[in-house]
Amino acid sequence: DGGITQSPKYLFRKEGQNVTLSCEQNLNHDAMYWYRQDPGQGLRLIYYSQIVNDFQKGDIAEGYSVSREKKESFPLTVTSAQKNPTAFYLCASSIETGAGGIDELAKNIQYFGAGTRLSVL
Amino acid sequence: AQSVAQPEDQVNVAEGNPLTVKCTYSVSGNPYLFWYVQYPNRGLQFLLKYITGDNLVKGSYGFEAEFNKSQTSFHLKKPSALVSDSALYFCAVRDYWGYSSASKIIFGSGTRLSIRP
Repeated sequence: DGGITQSPKYLFRKEGQNVTLSCEQNLNHDAMYWYRQDPGQGLRLIYYSQIVNDFQKGDIAEGYSVSREKKESFPLTVTSAQKNPTAFYLCASSIETGAGGIDELAKNIQYFGAGTRLSVL
Repeated sequence: AQSVAQPEDQVNVAEGNPLTVKCTYSVSGNPYLFWYVQYPNRGLQFLLKYITGDNLVKGSYGFEAEFNKSQTSFHLKKPSALVSDSALYFCAVRDYWGYSSASKIIFGSGTRLSIRP
């Protein structure tokens, strides 16, 4: 989990409330990602950002929003529109630029934070 | 679109025995394939990556993976299992967003590996 910090570790949301999950990285990676993991299931991509001030919707973006104002930070807001928010949320980052040799070996490897477990009160 | 499949939800192995966790892929072009491990209540950790070249890729914690183009498989292996290897394992493949060189990773559904003492 080194280099990527997610907070808080546990979060509780009241009905109708928006909550924000923090993700900070000090790896100087250009790309950052948010995934949702439900019990016994794989990862589903919520949002993705390749550069500052740019982000793309993933497979399950409805009810979520993100911002990328700084390279190091990619916070995720779970809005009241997300009716089933209870899950384990994972943030990741990766190098996406560079080509050939060592650069090619390092590219696309995603480094993950320790996760935030969100529950509904 | 690129995809990976992990046909086994659970694999059980006795400590000291060899282990294999299966993965098959479907890609257009040359595949970039990965294996990750997840311990309980933690994020995923990178194990190894295949780009091209040698079909046997060595990774962290004594794991290796064998790329087989004719069978479109990328199975994870270890010669001698440890109880501490018990975890959730994910196979993954690189996919492109469709513009510039932006890419994302598609993860399989995961295989739970249980090593009994």
